[in-house]
Amino acid sequence: KQEVTQIPAALSVPEGENLVLNCSFTDSAIYNLQWFRQDPGKGLTSLLLIQSSQREQTSGRLNASLDKSSGRSTLYIAASQPGDSATYLCAVRTYNNNDMRFGAGTRLTVKP
Amino acid sequence: KAGVTQTPRYLIKTRGQQVTLSCSPISGHRSVSWYQQTPGQGLQFLFEYFSETQRNKGNFPGRFSGRQFSNSRSEMNVSTLELGDSALYLCASSISGRGNEQFFGPGTRLTVL
Repeated sequence: KQEVTQIPAALSVPEGENLVLNCSFTDSAIYNLQWFRQDPGKGLTSLLLIQSSQREQTSGRLNASLDKSSGRSTLYIAASQPGDSATYLCAVRTYNNNDMRFGAGTRLTVKP
Repeated sequence: KAGVTQTPRYLIKTRGQQVTLSCSPISGHRSVSWYQQTPGQGLQFLFEYFSETQRNKGNFPGRFSGRQFSNSRSEMNVSTLELGDSALYLCASSISGRGNEQFFGPGTRLTVL
């Protein structure tokens, strides 16, 4: 059964700092991995999708990497801003069950 | 292009009642998935529909059911509501599921009293 873990559970940084969020998964037989952000009480906003054959994806100040063999992904946020404050979730779609398994998320606070 | 829409946004029900939630996917998307989000369990997969057929189901009791219509709109139904069913219910659409990017709606907040 796929298990997805996100570390740390919460992170607080000053504005302008570069930061890394971590996601690990136990079953490497995946279709893809997707990073989302969720603002309080709201739905999920897709940030980046990495297919199993890819190593990284970039969008603006965000860069996500995928190391399928070690079951790890990182989300790098450059020059953080207060508007980046949200919960960040990673999710993997696994071949076996073909469902999406989510981590518990990292709650990020960027202080002005 | 319109995003995923969910109705209603908020619902208050009492134990024992039933409820129906609706999801309209992005135009052209044929896969719709449903998730339950609670503070204790996080996001959990309920089921996925593709071309009016349930393609996958999570580990939830039979009180949770769903369907998809020919226009790809989907509904989920929860019968005999329990207090523990209070949650944010999210639906997501994608072109065909599997390797495609998933896009989420704003969710329906269900409170069971």
